[in-house]
Amino acid sequence: GAVVSQHPSWVICKSGTSVKIECRSLDFQATTMFWYRQFPKQSLMLMATSNEGSKATYEQGVEKDKFLINHASLTLSTLTVTSAHPEDSSFYICSARFTGFRETQYFGPGTRLLVL
Amino acid sequence: GQNIDQPTEMTATEGAIVQINCTYQTSGFNGLFWYQQHAGEAPTFLSYNVLDGLEEKGRFSSFLSRSKGYSYLLLKELQMKDSASYLCAVMDSNYQLIWGAGTKLIIKP
Repeated sequence: GAVVSQHPSWVICKSGTSVKIECRSLDFQATTMFWYRQFPKQSLMLMATSNEGSKATYEQGVEKDKFLINHASLTLSTLTVTSAHPEDSSFYICSARFTGFRETQYFGPGTRLLVL
Repeated sequence: GQNIDQPTEMTATEGAIVQINCTYQTSGFNGLFWYQQHAGEAPTFLSYNVLDGLEEKGRFSSFLSRSKGYSYLLLKELQMKDSASYLCAVMDSNYQLIWGAGTKLIIKP
């Protein structure tokens, strides 16, 4: 299947700092990427839909000023967690929409964020 | 509203067969997906159904009935490495994935 990379895979940071997570589709162009968050033993929660060249669409309850999303190219979307706090500690996963012979989403390996 | 239902947890024996059911009610339908997620890892794509019927891929098969809003994932010859959560997701009319909460499958020797 198609490959999506995510970097970094692990982040430990101090409270108040900002953290940037990159999501890249390596072998296909993705006009749409999705950012999810998953807390331990819970389901995936869609945070926002990122569209290349336009503003991201945020889900209800997700602060757009705290979770900045930039989809600057057809293969790269970034999520910046600004002024991170311990409650932002979670598993952040991106996916890229694949519109080849069938429509699907391929996931990156995820980024574990721990805010101290 | 949109709703995806699947059992929270299932237990099966190594070498056996298990069927994980998923029922859905969504605004529009552009396909149903099954993903596998091992603990601490991101989901990986297993199957896609958009037409009624059974799709077989090795030890895994997925079935869809659009009229009943129903799908199942069938796992044969279970191996210990199949212990994972299995996520059912439906792509709605906006091509957005609506996720079920996942079924945790426990395989016992």
